[in-house]
Amino acid sequence: EDQVTQSPEALRLQEGESSSLNCSYTVSGLRGLFWYRQDPGKGPEFLFTLYSAGEEKEKERLKATLTKKESFLHITAPKPEDSATYLCAVQTSGTYKYIFGTGTRLKVLA
Amino acid sequence: GAVVSQHPSWVICKSGTSVKIECRSLDFQATTMFWYRQFPKQSLMLMATSNEGSKATYEQGVEKDKFLINHASLTLSTLTVTSAHPEDSSFYICSARPRTSTYNEQFFGPGTRLTVL
Repeated sequence: EDQVTQSPEALRLQEGESSSLNCSYTVSGLRGLFWYRQDPGKGPEFLFTLYSAGEEKEKERLKATLTKKESFLHITAPKPEDSATYLCAVQTSGTYKYIFGTGTRLKVLA
Repeated sequence: GAVVSQHPSWVICKSGTSVKIECRSLDFQATTMFWYRQFPKQSLMLMATSNEGSKATYEQGVEKDKFLINHASLTLSTLTVTSAHPEDSSFYICSARPRTSTYNEQFFGPGTRLTVL
């Protein structure tokens, strides 16, 4: 069965304290892995798409990487405005449907 | 670019009434739209996949007669919750995959908060 697991479930960081969020996946065939940010009461905001192992994408303080079994979202020197839930989603071969992970709730303290 | 809107943003209704939620892709055409529901502090659960001009495909456990989906054009999909009950109260979110996209990402609407009294 295809599965996506995110860890940690929740993370509290001091402003400027870099860290990484993990998304582990077990799927029959990977079409793509997607990272989103979701603020409370809002829809997910697209961040990155990764397609193959070794691929990396960067945007401001965020960097996403992909291996054959997992993806990391690295947050460098986070700011309070980075506080949100970060969602990982996987698309398997033959479908455009997403399988979402449970998310990581990030809180960055000033 | 890639903006998706939903209307209404929130709705309160009485038990037994029907509620329609609209999902529009504002600056692109969407061959495929998706409907999700999300409970507090939980992730998104896919309800159905909607392709323009054809019947929606529902996920296992989702009642198609309860949640009616219509994808009448390349920019509009609607979800109607029929005979709503308090257990249908949730956050409903749609997403759309651009028709001309060389990539596979979905773009999400802002969500609709449904409260059934």
